[in-house]
Amino acid sequence: AQSVTQLGSHVSVSEGALVLLRCNYSSSVPPYLFWYVQYPNQGLQLLLKYTSAATLVKGINGFEAEFKKSETSFHLTKPSAHMSDAAEYFCAVSDTGNNRLAFGKGNQVVVIP
Amino acid sequence: DVKVTQSSRYLVKRTGEKVFLECVQDMDHENMFWYRQDPGLGLRLIYFSYDVKMKEKGDIPEGYSVSREKKERFSLILESASTNQTSMYLCASSLTGEVYEQYFGPGTRLTVT
Repeated sequence: AQSVTQLGSHVSVSEGALVLLRCNYSSSVPPYLFWYVQYPNQGLQLLLKYTSAATLVKGINGFEAEFKKSETSFHLTKPSAHMSDAAEYFCAVSDTGNNRLAFGKGNQVVVIP
Repeated sequence: DVKVTQSSRYLVKRTGEKVFLECVQDMDHENMFWYRQDPGLGLRLIYFSYDVKMKEKGDIPEGYSVSREKKERFSLILESASTNQTSMYLCASSLTGEVYEQYFGPGTRLTVT
């Protein structure tokens, strides 16, 4: 089964600094990959997804992620953090053949003014 | 826009009560999912359904059951609620196919006392 690793449950970033959240996946086949964001007391919202059309994927709110097959990675970045980016972020990979997603444990992002 | 709604945002129940959590989606999605979310554990799949009256166990089905009598509605049932079922419950839906993302409801925060 596919799986995802997100290191560092809590990530602190200064306002205006680069946001970098790491995601590594294991998959026996070319994967479909997703990043979701969860604001406090809300459900998950799709930020972006990789479906093999382009290795650099742009999403909502200025986020982007780069698929690197050689590193089995799909790291999420944003050049300049805003206070509104404080949320929990989840990376996910499609599980082959059963329409399930395998989620990482999430990164709680804190933005420091 | 896809909309996934959940019957309650907050719910407080007593130990031993039977609890119903309802989820409705309005986009004719074949697949529906129930997750629970706990701090440090990420999202864990309880059950999912790929068609009316069809269901499959997820990673943590013990103590739960589900019902899908209509395509748009997926219910999670706690037959006899226990305190260790206090959690955030998230419903999601998707089209069939690994390329498709899941759409999430706002969640139900259940407290069992």
